Order: sequence, then C-alpha cells, then structure tokens
Amino acid sequence: GDSVTQMEGPVTLSEEAFLTINCTYTATGYPSLFWYVQYPGEGLQLLLKATKADDKGSNKGFEATYRKETTSFHLEKGSVQVSDSAVYFCALRWGSSNTGKLIFGQGTTLQVKP
Amino acid sequence: GAGVSQSPSNKVTEKGKDVELRCDPISGHTALYWYRQSLGQGLEFLIYFQGNSAPDKSGLPSDRFSAERTGGSVSTLTIQRTQQEDSAVYLCASSLGTSGYEQYFGPGTRLTVT
Repeated sequence: GDSVTQMEGPVTLSEEAFLTINCTYTATGYPSLFWYVQYPGEGLQLLLKATKADDKGSNKGFEATYRKETTSFHLEKGSVQVSDSAVYFCALRWGSSNTGKLIFGQGTTLQVKP
Repeated sequence: GAGVSQSPSNKVTEKGKDVELRCDPISGHTALYWYRQSLGQGLEFLIYFQGNSAPDKSGLPSDRFSAERTGGSVSTLTIQRTQQEDSAVYLCASSLGTSGYEQYFGPGTRLTVT
C-alpha cells in the first residue's frame, strides 16, 4: 500500500544552519505531496505542497521539490531559526482518491539552538 | 473565522470505560477526517465523512471504534471498552472538499487510558 518514510529525529541544529529532512514515498498513481508542521502546543498546519512531478512547494523559507524519479520530497531551508523548532510531517494524498485522506510519515522533530 | 475545535483537550479514563471525543469543523466544510497520533504508529487515518455519511472507515483499528456526524457538522468519535493501546492524540480535520482542498486540523484530544 501507499506509504511515506521520513528520516528519524530528533534533528538538532544551530541557528542559521542548513536544514534537510528526507522524505520518500511509495504510491500508485500520481499522489500530491505535503509537508505539515506542528509547533509546540499548536495544531498541525500545512507548510507547503506539490501536486505533480518537478513542482516545487515553498513557504516561510522552506522548499521541497517533487521528484518522481527518486520518489522523494525532501524538505530544505537555507538558514533555520529557533522559531522553526517543531515536528515536521511528510504526507501524500493519492491523486485519484475520492476520499482525500492523507498518509503521513512518522514525523521528524527539529530542535534549533541559539 | 473559527477554526476546527475539539473537546475535551485532555481525557484520562480507566481501562474498560467508554469515551466520546467531539469535533466541530469549520462551518461549511463538507469533508471531515479523524486521525490518530501515537508514539508507536505515527499519524494514521481513521475515518472520513462526506456530509453525514462515512464512505471510508478503513482506518478504524477495531469494532470498538465508531464515529458519527450529524447535520453535516459536528462529529463524535466513540471508543468502547478502552484499552491502554488506545492512548494517543486524536486529531480532527475538515476541508471544503476532498482532493485538491487543504485540510485544516484541530488541536487534538489527548486520550490517556490508565
């Protein structure tokens, strides 16, 4: 079945460091891909998305490119801030699904130290 | 406007008791989803509603779990004869439709079964 695998955390970085969180997927058809973020004490919120191959999603300095050939959607940010400390979830939604349900990875905790 | 709300925010119950978790979606959102976030299983889909019907219940882990939605709005997730493995954060999300529409998540209900 469809699945998402993301790198285990926690990832600990110093402020202004470069961030990569790896995400790969297995899916039939052509899924849409998402990154969600969960800040401490807050609900899950959409960070960025891409709906087809080679699309790049971006928001708040974060980027991810939909790579069909490697079935990947790695999250990157050039310079992290303490405020980026959160749990990040990669997810897919099957392109031809009539339910729209999301399939999530395990989540990666990011800790940014000043 | 108001986002998705869930109640209670925290629930502690004894093993074997029944619990009800409530979700109030964003007004006008026809699609409603329940997910579960637990340490061992990550973030997993439970059930999807379109209006008051549930065309996808594939994620419900056992027949102790049930859910209903009334008036195309409020949804209740019921867990009967709770077990310790039911301890998790239960998240509700709503969206205007299915594929192509963003899901907005509530803050979750943290359930602890003692």
